[in-house]
Amino acid sequence: GAVVSQHPSWVICKSGTSVKIECRSLDFQATTMFWYRQFPKQSLMLMATSNEGSKATYEQGVEKDKFLINHASLTLSTLTVTSAHPEDSSFYICSARGQTAQETQYFGPGTRLLVL
Amino acid sequence: GQNIDQPTEMTATEGAIVQINCTYQTSGFNGLFWYQQHAGEAPTFLSYNVLDGLEEKGRFSSFLSRSKGYSYLLLKELQMKDSASYLCAVTDSNYQLIWGAGTKLIIKP
Repeated sequence: GAVVSQHPSWVICKSGTSVKIECRSLDFQATTMFWYRQFPKQSLMLMATSNEGSKATYEQGVEKDKFLINHASLTLSTLTVTSAHPEDSSFYICSARGQTAQETQYFGPGTRLLVL
Repeated sequence: GQNIDQPTEMTATEGAIVQINCTYQTSGFNGLFWYQQHAGEAPTFLSYNVLDGLEEKGRFSSFLSRSKGYSYLLLKELQMKDSASYLCAVTDSNYQLIWGAGTKLIIKP
């Protein structure tokens, strides 16, 4: 159980375009979803936390107008990187947690974004 | 501030045992997680400790001492596929997950 999927796995796009990444919990209802970014050989960095039906909470230094997060249902959250630039190239990973805060976060497989 | 410390890198031999330590200083405590992350992949859940003591799960065990702010992950009968980064994460009083930087484990034949 506790499977989280992400789509797409890989994205290559031109600078200035927007990219949408989907995160789905396949076999449980995810009250809370998390979006992380990880640069090569660096730690996971939490970007934002989203609760179903409410606005996401962004970590300090993360531009909310650039990284749009929507968590419209208990099984789907989306991250849109708007006007992507080469410095946004990274490994974006979502995780999902069930209905109580004590529950485990399960991670999606990640999305590699390369902005040319 | 909140802080989680774990060694940056460890090396061990195939078939041996290795212990990866994690110490934490957080505002409150609601559980400690260990995750495994292979290079280029997302983390996968290994274990969760919220009470003191040892939790065993196959070749992997995780220990917690809340009074000492200390945990370890014990890997037995090491296999080459265990080469990965091991992430320690603590849930604080606000149920925020605070991440350690990870320990890169290198297994040699």
